[in-house]
Amino acid sequence: AQSVTQPDIHITVSEGASLELRCNYSYGATPYLFWYVQSPGQGLQLLLKYFSGDTLVQGIKGFEAEFKRSQSSFNLRKPSVHWSDAAEYFCAVGAGGYNKLIFGAGTRLAVHP
Amino acid sequence: GAGVSQTPSNKVTEKGKYVELRCDPISGHTALYWYRQSLGQGPEFLIYFQGTGAADDSGLPNDRFFAVRPEGSVSTLKIQRTERGDSAVYLCASSLSGGAYEQYFGPGTRLTVT
Repeated sequence: AQSVTQPDIHITVSEGASLELRCNYSYGATPYLFWYVQSPGQGLQLLLKYFSGDTLVQGIKGFEAEFKRSQSSFNLRKPSVHWSDAAEYFCAVGAGGYNKLIFGAGTRLAVHP
Repeated sequence: GAGVSQTPSNKVTEKGKYVELRCDPISGHTALYWYRQSLGQGPEFLIYFQGTGAADDSGLPNDRFFAVRPEGSVSTLKIQRTERGDSAVYLCASSLSGGAYEQYFGPGTRLTVT
C-alpha cells in the first residue's frame, strides 16, 4: 500500500540557518511527489512537485526538493530560513491514478529569531 | 481570482445530529476532492469527483458519510448520526482536471461533535 513517512514531528531552527525536512514514500510505480505548507488558519499551499525529469525541483519561497529513487526519499530543503517559514509541512504522494493524495503526518517547523 | 471556499468555517454539533459541509471550487475546475484532517495528522482522502460523479469514494469511512456534486460545481459533504470521532477539519480541494493536476485547497471546515 502507498504510504508517506515524515520522521520528524517537530523541528526548530534559527533564522538564517539551513533546513532539511525528510520524507520517505512507499509506492509501487513512478511516484508523483508533492510538498505542501500549512500555516495557521490557512489552507494547504503547494510548494513544489515532482513528476519526472530532473530530480532536483525548485519551488516557491526559495524551497527545493530532491527525488532519490534509490532511497525512496523526497527531502525538502531551504538554504536560509526566514521567520515567516514557521508552519507545518506535508509531503504527499499521488495515488489511485494520481487522483488522490496520500499525505504524511507532517513536520511542524519553528523558527527562532 | 477566487480560490476554493468552504462554509461554514466552524461547525459545532451534538452527537447524533446531521451536518452538511459545503465546498465551492475554483470556477472551471472539473475535479473536486474531500479530505479529512484529524488533530496532529496529515489530510486523509475521502472522495474524488470528476464532474458530477464520484469517481473514487474509497476513503469514506462508513455509510454515514455521503457527498454530492449535482451540477458539477458546488459539493456538499453530508454526515449522518455524527459521532465524537468525526471531529476534524474537513478540507476541500479542486483541480483543473483529475490526474496529475495541482490540487488547490480551501481553508477547511472545523467540525466539533460534542
